[in-house]
Amino acid sequence: EPEVTQTPSHQVTQMGQEVILRCVPISNHLYFYWYRQILGQKVEFLVSFYNNEISEKSEIFDDQFSVERPDGSNFTLKIRSTKLEDSAMYFCAKTRGSSNTGELFFGEGSRLTVL
Amino acid sequence: AQKITQTQPGMFVQEKEAVTLDCTYDTSDQSYGLFWYKQPSSGEMIFLIYQGSYDEQNATEGRYSLNFQKARKSANLVISASQLGDSAMYFCAMRSWSGAGSYQLTFGKGTKLSVIP
Repeated sequence: EPEVTQTPSHQVTQMGQEVILRCVPISNHLYFYWYRQILGQKVEFLVSFYNNEISEKSEIFDDQFSVERPDGSNFTLKIRSTKLEDSAMYFCAKTRGSSNTGELFFGEGSRLTVL
Repeated sequence: AQKITQTQPGMFVQEKEAVTLDCTYDTSDQSYGLFWYKQPSSGEMIFLIYQGSYDEQNATEGRYSLNFQKARKSANLVISASQLGDSAMYFCAMRSWSGAGSYQLTFGKGTKLSVIP
């Protein structure tokens, strides 16, 4: 089964600080996704990323969020100026193989706590 | 727009018994996919089972099976022979295709399953 590694597993930050969450997938994957889950709530789609470009984004994914693949392997989610309501679990996800079909597999998540 | 409804916020089941977790969905798409994920207290999202809307047979994966009733728009998860390690939150989700070629999952609110020894 495909593996997705996310770092950090938990990050605590002060409001207004920048945060970068990283996802390390298998290199031949083209489609990646970020989801978030506020504590006690359902999982919500943030953004999809295909071939080094944003493919689709939700209304949650506003100007303070950005994604990129800076070195061709790691896949990052950046929050420029964190707010209290950004506290959540952030999941990176990918499909099986390099295609965009079938099952979606999630990483173990990065828990962000904004104080 | 897609919608997933899980009407059971919490469920209890005796160890070794079977349990059914309910999920109903709403979509105008002809082609869609349905997923179940398990989220233990540690927080990770573990893929359990997938059913495509055109699949003629119900999906099965070990002790997990998906009771797919297309006309009723339901996709219930059945866990047979429950184990203590099955205690977790369970999320039903639906795949929808975007115009950009990627797809999004829409999740339900989840059902917290507790297995009693």
